[in-house]
Amino acid sequence: GENVGLHLPTLSVQEGDNSIINCAYSNSASDYFIWYKQESGKGPQFIIDIRSNMDKRQGQRVTVLLNKTVKHLSLQIAATQPGDSAVYFCAEENTGTASKLTFGTGTRLQVTL
Amino acid sequence: GAGVSQSPSNKVTEKGKDVELRCDPISGHTALYWYRQRLGQGLEFLIYFQGNSAPDKSGLPSDRFSAERTGESVSTLTIQRTQQEDSAVYLCASGEQMNTEAFFGQGTRLTVV
Repeated sequence: GENVGLHLPTLSVQEGDNSIINCAYSNSASDYFIWYKQESGKGPQFIIDIRSNMDKRQGQRVTVLLNKTVKHLSLQIAATQPGDSAVYFCAEENTGTASKLTFGTGTRLQVTL
Repeated sequence: GAGVSQSPSNKVTEKGKDVELRCDPISGHTALYWYRQRLGQGLEFLIYFQGNSAPDKSGLPSDRFSAERTGESVSTLTIQRTQQEDSAVYLCASGEQMNTEAFFGQGTRLTVV
């Protein structure tokens, strides 16, 4: 199955710096992408999404970039705060086929003071 | 409105016993997912229900695992003859048919002793 037995890579960032979390997705037919944040002991929470007709979308302190040529997605967090410490997952979906949402491995973000 | 609700939140069971985990999705959501998450690891897809279509069971790790969903409402994940390796958090998520994110419950933490 997907992501079985994979320990999460960790990104350490100093408070106030910008964070960039990367994700390589697998299906070139995917047209909808989401970033989730999972805090300790909780279920994943939606952060931001982007559709394949866009290459950039901005939210509050977060920006998602999509490069369809190389099937790469990134999440940028500006002025990282201790509350941003969590595991971040990207997810992809081919909405044309009503297929399931497929999650990436996940990255643990540690914010140091 | 209420989000995705899972019960129980914690379950300790003896090896060899059967367990049943429950998920109440958001009303009106036709898509429902079950994931397993071992400590410090990513999301392992188990099963996906979409409306009246046949469920995608491709992630179920063994025939000890099964899941049912009644219409577009409650789903139960059953694990028979539990093993210690089944210890994990089991997450349920629901979503609208397509083009939107999935919303996660808080999960059921299963411990097999």
